Amino acid sequence: QVQLVESGGGVVQPGRSLRLYCAASGFTFSSYGMHWVRQAPGKGLEWVAVIWYDATDKYHADSVKGRFTISRDNSENTLYLEMNSLRVEDTAVYYCARDRAPMVRGIDYWGQGTLVTVSS
Amino acid sequence: SYVLTQPPSVSVAPGQTARIPCGGNNIGGDSVHWYQQKPGQAPVLVVYDDSDRPSGIPERFSGSNSGNTATLTISRVEAGDEADYYCQVWDSSSDHGVFGGGTKLTVL
Repeated sequence: QVQLVESGGGVVQPGRSLRLYCAASGFTFSSYGMHWVRQAPGKGLEWVAVIWYDATDKYHADSVKGRFTISRDNSENTLYLEMNSLRVEDTAVYYCARDRAPMVRGIDYWGQGTLVTVSS
Repeated sequence: SYVLTQPPSVSVAPGQTARIPCGGNNIGGDSVHWYQQKPGQAPVLVVYDDSDRPSGIPERFSGSNSGNTATLTISRVEAGDEADYYCQVWDSSSDHGVFGGGTKLTVL
């Protein structure tokens, strides 16, 4: 069965960096687009970024563009989110999610999330 | 940027039908997906491409999309359906994913 396991979250000071990981199993990772979606405490879902199956294209939300970078290693079945210049408002649970298609058709599976807290 | 509008809350008695709207400019031309999220859990896909159901999702969950409104309909509502529901589209003009603000379904 499809499994997505996030890790790398924690408490970090404003302005610092953090790297999130998503280990994928139970499907052919290299055949699917992958997303990061976040949810601030008590708030709704916010799309963060997507990367195509072969990493030839990637897109980021305006709120994180220039600070966050999505990437993937198909040989390791792993998705990444590099987060730089973190702000207090980046505090959220970050979900890794699989798209139904190689590029973008819509999310069908979600991980359980990893909490990132940005605080001094 | 593209905006999806959902009511903050919808209430329904058990056994009745719940309808959760998602408004967006010409949303009828997009593929809309719906996610259910229970407290402390990750979201779960319940309807994709406007009206299709993933395997394992009860037939009580259905969707429609036309004009400026997409709608998630839950028939014969059960206590276990109480959750937050989010609509979502891919905005191809900006190459961004967009979520609605979410609707909390309360079963009275």
